[in-house]
Amino acid sequence: DADVTQTPRNRITKTGKRIMLECSQTKGHDRMYWYRQDPGLGLRLIYYSFDVKDINKGEISDGYSVSRQAQAKFSLSLESAIPNQTALYFCATSEASYSGANVLTFGAGSRLTVL
Amino acid sequence: KQEVTQIPAALSVPEGENLVLNCSFTDSAIYNLQWFRQDPGKGLTSLLLIQSSQREQTSGRLNASLDKSSGRSTLYIAASQPGDSATYLCAVHSGGSNYKLTFGKGTLLTVNP
Repeated sequence: DADVTQTPRNRITKTGKRIMLECSQTKGHDRMYWYRQDPGLGLRLIYYSFDVKDINKGEISDGYSVSRQAQAKFSLSLESAIPNQTALYFCATSEASYSGANVLTFGAGSRLTVL
Repeated sequence: KQEVTQIPAALSVPEGENLVLNCSFTDSAIYNLQWFRQDPGKGLTSLLLIQSSQREQTSGRLNASLDKSSGRSTLYIAASQPGDSATYLCAVHSGGSNYKLTFGKGTLLTVNP
């Protein structure tokens, strides 16, 4: 089994629908992240969580919300999906490190298409 | 605001060649720099992480260097193979109390048999 599992891997939905992308990890890492990847724009951070009670906005959090249900689970929600949220979404994890070394482990990605 | 640029955007080489991928960043106040590999339809795999106090890191045929003062890093791939074909991304972990990892847009590498 993968260390970081994302579900669903692919989803097509309609404008206005609520969508949840789920991420679970077996790495035992405290830190979890949600990124989106768009052609020509690279990866951008949506939300991150350093532990179960710590949730922080990234650079593009508008239109998204997250829930850290447990150390191993971090879900991303789109309350009312819109077409420009069509993208490849990645969950990632890392250990807590105050030396600055944050090697990320990524999931395989969830491709979301909003029609 | 940290900006990360990767040049070239795409590179095609014959098998066996040595090659260099470039990454530049605008703010030298960094914790570390990471190089990742992304295969089509898959997630990112971390290749090398260089701490701000280090000059280079090596893993097999890969060597990454860091010149923090000039805001540059290179990824050197020796004796390239078709299996090296992928997109390579660099990401910079900037300093400060808030987490900030800024990615470049990547270099698409094709190694032709």
